[in-house]
Amino acid sequence: EADIYQTPRYLVIGTGKKITLECSQTMGHDKMYWYQQDPGMELHLIHYSYGVNSTEKGDLSSESTVSRIRTEHFPLTLESARPSHTSQYLCASTQTGSSGNTIYFGEGSWLTVV
Amino acid sequence: GQQVMQIPQYQHVQEGEDFTTYCNSSTTLSNIQWYKQRPGGHPVFLIQLVKSGEVKKQKRLTFQFGEAKKNSSLHITATQTTDVGTYFCAGGTTSGTYKYIFGTGTRLKVLA
Repeated sequence: EADIYQTPRYLVIGTGKKITLECSQTMGHDKMYWYQQDPGMELHLIHYSYGVNSTEKGDLSSESTVSRIRTEHFPLTLESARPSHTSQYLCASTQTGSSGNTIYFGEGSWLTVV
Repeated sequence: GQQVMQIPQYQHVQEGEDFTTYCNSSTTLSNIQWYKQRPGGHPVFLIQLVKSGEVKKQKRLTFQFGEAKKNSSLHITATQTTDVGTYFCAGGTTSGTYKYIFGTGTRLKVLA
C-alpha cells in the first residue's frame, strides 16, 4: 500500500478564496506530480517536481502554483478559486529506478468552487 | 505536444466476454505503464512494459508493447464484474524527464 496522503479529501469554497491542497508522501520519492481529473475523464498533468526546489508546469495550463521545499511535501495553491477550478486533484509520486518507476497516487482532493 | 490516445473510450461487455483497449502514442516511448481506476477511486498501477514487442500476463490480463514502442494493448479474457473501471495507459517520455503522459482512458462496464 502506498504512503501518499492528500488533505482535504473534500472541500467546498467560495469564489475568490485562496486554497492550498496538501500532499505528503513518506516513501522518500524524488518525483511528485499533480493531476487534475474531472469525473470519468482523463488525467491532466498540471505540475511536476523532480526534487527539492525543482518544479515545472505540466501540459494543462493551470492557475495554480506549487512548491517543493521538502522531499516529502508538495502542496498546490490556488490564489483565487473560480468555479472552473471545480475538479478532482490527484497527487502522485515515484522514485526513479525503483519498482520500475511505479507511480503511486493519493486518494484525491475533490474541490468544489461555488 | 506529445499525445497518448486510447480506444475505445467506453466499452460495455457481458460478463464472460473478452475486452481489449488500445493505446497509441504520437511519439516513441521509453516504456509504458497501465493503471486501473475503480469508480470513485484513484489510479492503481498494474504493470510496466519496457522492451519492444514485450508481452506480459497477469492472470486474465495480457499486456503488449508494440515493436515501435508507440502503441500498447491490454486484453482481458472472460471479464468479471470486478474488472469494472477505467483503464489508463501512461507513456514514459524518452527525454529522460520521467514525465508520464496518461492516455485518454477506456471505461469498462461489465454487465452481469
